[in-house]
Amino acid sequence: DVKVTQSSRYLVKRTGEKVFLECVQDMDHENMFWYRQDPGLGLRLIYFSYDVKMKEKGDIPEGYSVSREKKERFSLILESASTNQTSMYLCASKAGTTTDTQYFGPGTRLTVL
Amino acid sequence: RKEVEQDPGPFNVPEGATVAFNCTYSNSASQSFFWYRQDCRKEPKLLMSVYSSGNEDGRFTAQLNRASQYISLLIRDSKLSDSATYLCAVHSSASKIIFGSGTRLSIRP
Repeated sequence: DVKVTQSSRYLVKRTGEKVFLECVQDMDHENMFWYRQDPGLGLRLIYFSYDVKMKEKGDIPEGYSVSREKKERFSLILESASTNQTSMYLCASKAGTTTDTQYFGPGTRLTVL
Repeated sequence: RKEVEQDPGPFNVPEGATVAFNCTYSNSASQSFFWYRQDCRKEPKLLMSVYSSGNEDGRFTAQLNRASQYISLLIRDSKLSDSATYLCAVHSSASKIIFGSGTRLSIRP
């Protein structure tokens, strides 16, 4: 079974703090993704990575950066957290073909005060 | 126009009813299609892939209509445990995947 883990289930930070969200997958998947999910807006793609050290912007990259130094780990960084970044953050991983499905981590509910 | 659109619902149907959702997509080059299920406060999990010929898994049937650019999910003999949000996902490439915002389904006794 594919396992995608995220470093925290719940996180509370203050405005202006630097925030790191970590995601690890154990299936040697090439692709990894970061989404945020908000009521009424569904899943919105922040960044994705299709290989180590490779990254591409998704639909809402502003205010975020990512790091993928190792294949199994994909980090999302909020350089200076703001209250409008309060959300559920979901990491996902996927093998390399279009027919492969995504597997999601359990999510991190981030609150920025 | 959003790339992938779903009716947000909620659909509120009695146990045993048949219910169907559609999901429309705008990119005709989209290559593969999926339905996910998401329970409250949980991550999305794959329900089923959607194939051109249509596919069935127990009480669930998924269809793809490329000409009209939509996919559908049919649930027969609905159970209380089917209550969840159903998300469609459209892959236009191995890396680019767009999710719909989800359709909320509530099954009442």
